[in-house]
Amino acid sequence: GAVVSQHPSWVICKSGTSVKIECRSLDFQATTMFWYRQFPKQSLMLMATSNEGSKATYEQGVEKDKFLINHASLTLSTLTVTSAHPEDSSFYICSARDSFRTSGYNEQFFGPGTRLTVL
Amino acid sequence: TQLLEQSPQFLSIQEGENLTVYCNSSSVFSSLQWYRQEPGEGPVLLVTVVTGGEVKKLKRLTFQFGDARKDSSLHITAAQPGDTGLYLCAGGGQKLVFGQGTRLTINP
Repeated sequence: GAVVSQHPSWVICKSGTSVKIECRSLDFQATTMFWYRQFPKQSLMLMATSNEGSKATYEQGVEKDKFLINHASLTLSTLTVTSAHPEDSSFYICSARDSFRTSGYNEQFFGPGTRLTVL
Repeated sequence: TQLLEQSPQFLSIQEGENLTVYCNSSSVFSSLQWYRQEPGEGPVLLVTVVTGGEVKKLKRLTFQFGDARKDSSLHITAAQPGDTGLYLCAGGGQKLVFGQGTRLTINP
């Protein structure tokens, strides 16, 4: 249980194009999903909290117009990197919290990540 | 702001040795999680500790939560090359706070 998938697993795009990354909770419902960015040999940096049916909450310093988040259903959140540039190249990871899990321990289940390379 | 400090940040040891990774904070956490991440993959949840003084075992891995719920440790006995990876502790409420991670390499 608690499986999260991401698609694509890797993507290479030209500078100026937009890229959409999907995050799905496969066997549970998630009213809240999270998007992280990870640079080589570093820990995870939270970019935004994705809330089903409402606007995402972005962390300080993250451009909401550049990183568009949509959470239209209880099992799907998408991150669109608009007008991507080489400095946006990174490993993007999503996570989801089981909305109906009763443990209440704030555990998050992570997707396998998406490697974005902008040329 | 809650912060988690992990130490050491890098550790390279020989197969068969024991090791301990620490996760410390000045803040009290209601629970702490430990994750392991392999290159090119997302973090995988290993364990959640919730009670001060709690000890949980996962095969050769032993996790402990400090009595005051401000720190945690991960002890690996007889490390194997398959234990290689980035170990992350995390805690918090709605949003998780992550430690910097401990990059562990087990040499055959």
